[in-house]
Amino acid sequence: QVQLQQSSPGLVKPSQTLSLTCAISGDSVSSNSAAWNWIRQSPSRGLEWLGRTYYRSKWYNDYAVSVKSRITINPDTSKNQFSLQLNSVTPEDTAVYYCARDSHGYNKAFDIWGQGTMVTVSS
Amino acid sequence: QSVLTQPPSASGTPGQRVTISCSGSKSNIWSNYVYWYQFSGTAPKLLIYSTNQRPSGVPDRFSGSKSGTSASLAISGLRSEDEADYYCAAWDDSLSGMVFGGGTKVTVL
Repeated sequence: QVQLQQSSPGLVKPSQTLSLTCAISGDSVSSNSAAWNWIRQSPSRGLEWLGRTYYRSKWYNDYAVSVKSRITINPDTSKNQFSLQLNSVTPEDTAVYYCARDSHGYNKAFDIWGQGTMVTVSS
Repeated sequence: QSVLTQPPSASGTPGQRVTISCSGSKSNIWSNYVYWYQFSGTAPKLLIYSTNQRPSGVPDRFSGSKSGTSASLAISGLRSEDEADYYCAAWDDSLSGMVFGGGTKVTVL
């Protein structure tokens, strides 16, 4: 059974970097048939896909246009997890952040989700 | 605002059929698969993938369809445990990313 366990930083100050990790059990971050995504949800912006990392003989990343200049998603094969870094945060980045898997078997659907982490950007 | 448009709310009595619409454009719904998710307090749940396919474990009371730039989720035989927020999603070729609807809150009266 695949599970995703998210870290919980909670509070981040404006202009600083938001960092989250998502630990994978029951699957591999290096899987050739899955991609590992970050998604956030806020009252003002709704659900927003942020980006993903995946391995197909080499590592690839795709990022949403809205955050492309500020985001990095990295795999960590030694710990079987992946991370999100979002730079120069503002209160607009306050949201519940989810990690999620999409797999070939479901044609890009997010079939496994983490529990969600509330992140507040405030001084 | 959200790229895909959903009604903010829908409701029905137990046993009734409820339909939720999702309106998009040529670059998302018309060209690609539609997905539906249920948010109800615990981790979000995939209800429909590839527009009209159910993962194992999802009751056949849930069904998805698409026509042109619109999609819909139908819940038949409505039950109290179906009370939740439902979101549609699709890949958008112009934005090169997954886009979501604003969500529909389903209430069982």
